[in-house]
Amino acid sequence: DIQMTQSPSFLSASVGDRVTLSCKASQNINKYLAWYQQKLGEAPKLLIYNANSLQTGIPSRFSGSGSGTDFTLTISSLQPEDVATYFCLQHNSWYTFGAGTKLELK
Amino acid sequence: EVQLVESGGGLVQPGRSLKLSCAASGFTFSNYYMAWVRQAPTKGLEWVAYISTGGGSTYYRDSVKGRFTISRDNAKSTLYLQMDSLRSEDTATYYCTRGRRVFDYWGQGVMVTVSS
Repeated sequence: DIQMTQSPSFLSASVGDRVTLSCKASQNINKYLAWYQQKLGEAPKLLIYNANSLQTGIPSRFSGSGSGTDFTLTISSLQPEDVATYFCLQHNSWYTFGAGTKLELK
Repeated sequence: EVQLVESGGGLVQPGRSLKLSCAASGFTFSNYYMAWVRQAPTKGLEWVAYISTGGGSTYYRDSVKGRFTISRDNAKSTLYLQMDSLRSEDTATYYCTRGRRVFDYWGQGVMVTVSS
């Protein structure tokens, strides 16, 4: 089974900061990586698919990069409404979610 | 607007059964693979099962094979998850999701608690 490791587990940042989250796969997953945002008590929302494609309606401050085993989600300028937990999902071989990064405001 | 609304959750004893439903609207249901994903309390997400557009192909994670059955009624735009022989480790919020490669829309989720 493919394992997905997200880092850091917790991140505290200030409004306006550039924030970078990491997701590493235990083996090559090509570009088949998605990022989700989950706010407290809500369903996950798709942000990025195929590693770097922005889902319709998602603000352009969100971007994704990477391929193979190393992937990154970047928020170019953190906004208060971005407080959430962020999960990655590999769908190259079945499906595996990462454990998540909880993003808080400093 | 795409909407997925789950129902059927609740408290059930170990070994008993429960059937979840997901009513879909805002898109042509029969054109999309559908899936169930769950999230145990304070844990991460894990996919449970998915089903092809016509229902002829179904796939399950190993821990639920032989106990859970995913199905769909395209005429009613509804997805189902029949859960038998429930275990305490099946306790989770169950989400109905759309898609085959990437899950692009999710319902609000329904809680299933397996406890005596």
